[in-house]
Amino acid sequence: NAGVMQNPRHLVRRRGQEARLRCSPMKGHSHVYWYRQLPEEGLKFMVYLQKENIIDESGMPKERFSAEFPKEGPSILRIQQVVRGDSAAYFCASSPLRLADSSYEQYFGPGTRLTVT
Amino acid sequence: AQSVTQLDSHVSVSEGTPVLLRCNYSSSYSPSLFWYVQHPNKGLQLLLKYTSAATLVKGINGFEAEFKKSETSFHLTKPSAHMSDAAEYFCVVSDRTSGTYKYIFGTGTRLKVLA
Repeated sequence: NAGVMQNPRHLVRRRGQEARLRCSPMKGHSHVYWYRQLPEEGLKFMVYLQKENIIDESGMPKERFSAEFPKEGPSILRIQQVVRGDSAAYFCASSPLRLADSSYEQYFGPGTRLTVT
Repeated sequence: AQSVTQLDSHVSVSEGTPVLLRCNYSSSYSPSLFWYVQHPNKGLQLLLKYTSAATLVKGINGFEAEFKKSETSFHLTKPSAHMSDAAEYFCVVSDRTSGTYKYIFGTGTRLKVLA
């Protein structure tokens, strides 16, 4: 059973370009979370999605950031017009979220390290 | 609001000695708590979780944690440190109040193991 897949692992963008980060959840998981880790800091929640729905985007910056999880294909985190402050590691996690048996731990991908030059 | 506080940003131990990484939580509900480990430039791996069953939770690689409601603590321990334990450790609470179960992370503890 493959784990959570993220690509690319490393992404370099110049200021003003767009960054697209992809996440394929574990098989059977329909819940996806995105987190951002700034240098020397812990992870901060950004957005929670189910297939075709954004459930909670309270951690997303108001501008330039968007996320989707289509019916088919990976979840995408999109950052438009990147700035140096967007440089960070972006982690995706998936969960089966079966509350009946408390199976709601999250499984993390290896992350995408975005560098904005 | 739920939160976790990791009391030490850095911990150094000698190989073969016990490890103690401290975590306190704040929650108005019975919390779901986790410990994750992150090796340099890698993703996060689940060490163990507490979900209101046994208060002493055993995890992978010899780690365990004890949930103490009276002290609002969930400290991570290991009897004998190995060099391979050197990593960043995160205490996490799952936000059940919002219904999203999103994770709230502590700021992390960097464990250094000395030969």
